[in-house]
Amino acid sequence: AQSVTQLDSHVSVSEGTPVLLRCNYSSSYSPSLFWYVQHPNKGLQLLLKYTSAATLVKGINGFEAEFKKSETSFHLTKPSAHMSDAAEYFCVVSRPGGYQKVTFGTGTKLQVIP
Amino acid sequence: DVKVTQSSRYLVKRTGEKVFLECVQDMDHENMFWYRQDPGLGLRLIYFSYDVKMKEKGDIPEGYSVSREKKERFSLILESASTNQTSMYLCASSSPGDRISGELFFGEGSRLTVL
Repeated sequence: AQSVTQLDSHVSVSEGTPVLLRCNYSSSYSPSLFWYVQHPNKGLQLLLKYTSAATLVKGINGFEAEFKKSETSFHLTKPSAHMSDAAEYFCVVSRPGGYQKVTFGTGTKLQVIP
Repeated sequence: DVKVTQSSRYLVKRTGEKVFLECVQDMDHENMFWYRQDPGLGLRLIYFSYDVKMKEKGDIPEGYSVSREKKERFSLILESASTNQTSMYLCASSSPGDRISGELFFGEGSRLTVL
């Protein structure tokens, strides 16, 4: 079984300040973890993925996430928010393979204030 | 550049109409998925297919059916559209051969309004 919890439905930051979007997961196996971003009326775009290699994962647009097994967390961070970061972010846990099981978090909407 | 294409970005249909949502991928992926996205509910899996002519129900299959006659194409069918099916529909694909990550590739979405 697997599940994922995004702890904040909305996050608001000022432009130029750090971003922290929180995600906790549970899984009975070693999962893959992802963060996807969705801009209004668009599909989901992959930001980054963890696949049991390095625990600190770097993604596109300056985002990174750290896999912490002891805390079952995979929080997304960025040192300095940009206006273009305003979007909805989804944390995803996956059991890969032929009968793939994918579980999405409910999403966090990031607002960036000028 | 890998691509998942949903043929209709915006549709407006009337209650009772039959609706087809088409999705095509060019990555030779075996797995294909249909999700529904509603505010506050995240993405919910309607159906997925792990091979041609194979399909499995997801979390919310009621009122929907699917067709996968060719590997690259996965269609979602609403036999008799209802207003509670007004939503954003997202198609995705992945490769079961990618046993490391299982990354999903998404289309741009189809926003359906049922009047």
